[in-house]
Amino acid sequence: DAKTTQPTSMDCAEGRAANLPCNHSTISGNEYVYWYRQIHSQGPQYIIHGLKNNETNEMASLIITEDRKSSTLILPHATLRDTAVYYCIVRANRDDKIIFGKGTRLHILP
Amino acid sequence: DVKVTQSSRYLVKRTGEKVFLECVQDMDHENMFWYRQDPGLGLRLIYFSYDVKMKEKGDIPEGYSVSREKKERFSLILESASTNQTSMYLCASCTPWADTQYFGPGTRLTVL
Repeated sequence: DAKTTQPTSMDCAEGRAANLPCNHSTISGNEYVYWYRQIHSQGPQYIIHGLKNNETNEMASLIITEDRKSSTLILPHATLRDTAVYYCIVRANRDDKIIFGKGTRLHILP
Repeated sequence: DVKVTQSSRYLVKRTGEKVFLECVQDMDHENMFWYRQDPGLGLRLIYFSYDVKMKEKGDIPEGYSVSREKKERFSLILESASTNQTSMYLCASCTPWADTQYFGPGTRLTVL
């Protein structure tokens, strides 16, 4: 079973920051938080991951709360091409299989 | 760029047929995975492999088998296709200890 809880869907206006929440209240100390997204008719695509510090890359930022029980993925300037299902995943070991939950369907509105 | 390719984007088969889904990756990855994706259920792991000739069951292996004869190729086999195996099938690969898996475009299989 997925160890994360995400809203089923969200809307965001184009050009605005999209903030996608994820709850992972049972996360263990050695588990990382990963985010993937899946654009329609494509395979999932890695976005970002982190352990306890906030992370940023060219695609997004990841904010993890101090108690690590929740996190937020931030797409700073959402575009129509960011419309996708976003998956939040906790994963103990880089070699572990990935268990995908149902994700959040993000709609970017023009 | 990492490339994971799958033999077909769309496939239609009849109940009882033997079905082969092929996945090839060109980045010399040791680890390869097969998932299926269904509405409301997300991605579920069928089988995975950490090395040539090695395989391990995922969460839903029933009705499937796999073959890994070469490092770059991981095949998913439906010995006798059934209608409840109609789904989107996704292949992925990565190196050991990798931060990310790379996914193929998927094969949408319909079993009539």
